[in-house]
Amino acid sequence: GDSVTQMEGPVTLSEEAFLTINCTYTATGYPSLFWYVQYPGEGLQLLLKATKADDKGSNKGFEATYRKETTSFHLEKGSVQVSDSAVYFCALSKGGSNYKLTFGKGTLLTVNP
Amino acid sequence: DADVTQTPRNRITKTGKRIMLECSQTKGHDRMYWYRQDPGLGLRLIYYSFDVKDINKGEISDGYSVSRQAQAKFSLSLESAIPNQTALYFCATSDPVSNEQYFGPGTRLTVT
Repeated sequence: GDSVTQMEGPVTLSEEAFLTINCTYTATGYPSLFWYVQYPGEGLQLLLKATKADDKGSNKGFEATYRKETTSFHLEKGSVQVSDSAVYFCALSKGGSNYKLTFGKGTLLTVNP
Repeated sequence: DADVTQTPRNRITKTGKRIMLECSQTKGHDRMYWYRQDPGLGLRLIYYSFDVKDINKGEISDGYSVSRQAQAKFSLSLESAIPNQTALYFCATSDPVSNEQYFGPGTRLTVT
């Protein structure tokens, strides 16, 4: 079945450091890929997405590129802020009649001032 | 107002009790979902509904049931709660075009 594997956390960085959170997937066909973020005490919210190979999703300084050849969708940010501290989830979904999301286990990011 | 609301936000209950978690959405979406979040396990799908008459089991449906009362309302029930159902529960809806899911704020359930 479909699956998503994220790098193990927690990740602790200093403010203005470079962030990479690795995500790889296993799926048949051509899934859509997502990064969701969960701030403390809140529900998940969509951070960015990509729907086809070589697409780059971006939002709030975060970027991720859909790489079909390596089945990856790594999240990056050039300079993190304390306010980026959250849990980040990589996820995939497939179209047709099935719009369920398959999530990775999440990566906790803590950014220190 | 929030697009997806959940009640209650927190609940403590005893083993064996029946409990219902409620979800309402104003997005006008047909598709709704219930997830469970446990530390280190991410989110796992309990049930999903693609319209009022279409309800499907997810990967961890045992011990849970659902009711889709209307397009906007999707309830999750634990018929006889047990301690390993202690978790954070999220309701979500999805946009059929973009596949984006919109999540509620979550219900923290503790079963003692």
